[in-house]
Amino acid sequence: GAGVSQSPRYKVTKRGQDVALRCDPISGHVSLYWYRQALGQGPEFLTYFNYEAQQDKSGLPNDRFSAERPEGSISTLTIQRTEQRDSAMYRCASSSKYNEQFFGPGTRLTVL
Amino acid sequence: QKEVEQNSGPLSVPEGAIASLNCTYSDRVSQSFFWYRQYSGKSPELIMSIYSNGDKEDGRFTAQLNKASQYVSLLIRDSQPSDSATYLCAVNTGGSYIPTFGRGTSLIVHP
Repeated sequence: GAGVSQSPRYKVTKRGQDVALRCDPISGHVSLYWYRQALGQGPEFLTYFNYEAQQDKSGLPNDRFSAERPEGSISTLTIQRTEQRDSAMYRCASSSKYNEQFFGPGTRLTVL
Repeated sequence: QKEVEQNSGPLSVPEGAIASLNCTYSDRVSQSFFWYRQYSGKSPELIMSIYSNGDKEDGRFTAQLNKASQYVSLLIRDSQPSDSATYLCAVNTGGSYIPTFGRGTSLIVHP
């Protein structure tokens, strides 16, 4: 079956612009996670959802970052007023049980 | 602060050898443990999960968990060049659904 998909795969934006990153999880997966991964590091937790409810957003760096999953399926991570330090690989993962994570291909964000 | 520690490597082993990857964690209440493989430029891929003390085998992979010593390891038997990747350890504490990832160990299997 289809895995986790993310779009866009690459996003280049200018400082100060807003960006929206999309994640489409594996069908039927209850949980959806957002991570940020720097080169040479493991994924860093940002936020996660069960169904449409945001369970934990303690990893979001500041209030410019927000996420939603309005219908319990597709999720959007939004970064407002982007800064150069926001440049990173953003990864989404979905999970059905025992917290085993299935990752999407990621979105490489570059802020100029 | 929940910490998951891995030696960044690289760990270099010859083809056919056993590769041993180690991970230690700080939170004694941890209950779920995972190993992910990440090829260069790709996403992490789950290869093993383990929840109780002892060994769990899946093909050429064996995960070993020792909660008393707070470490989890991954053994890869008959290592192949295609096993060359970064291996990430992830740990969930009891009651938490948020995994903490280590920085990963780079494995190089040379012919």
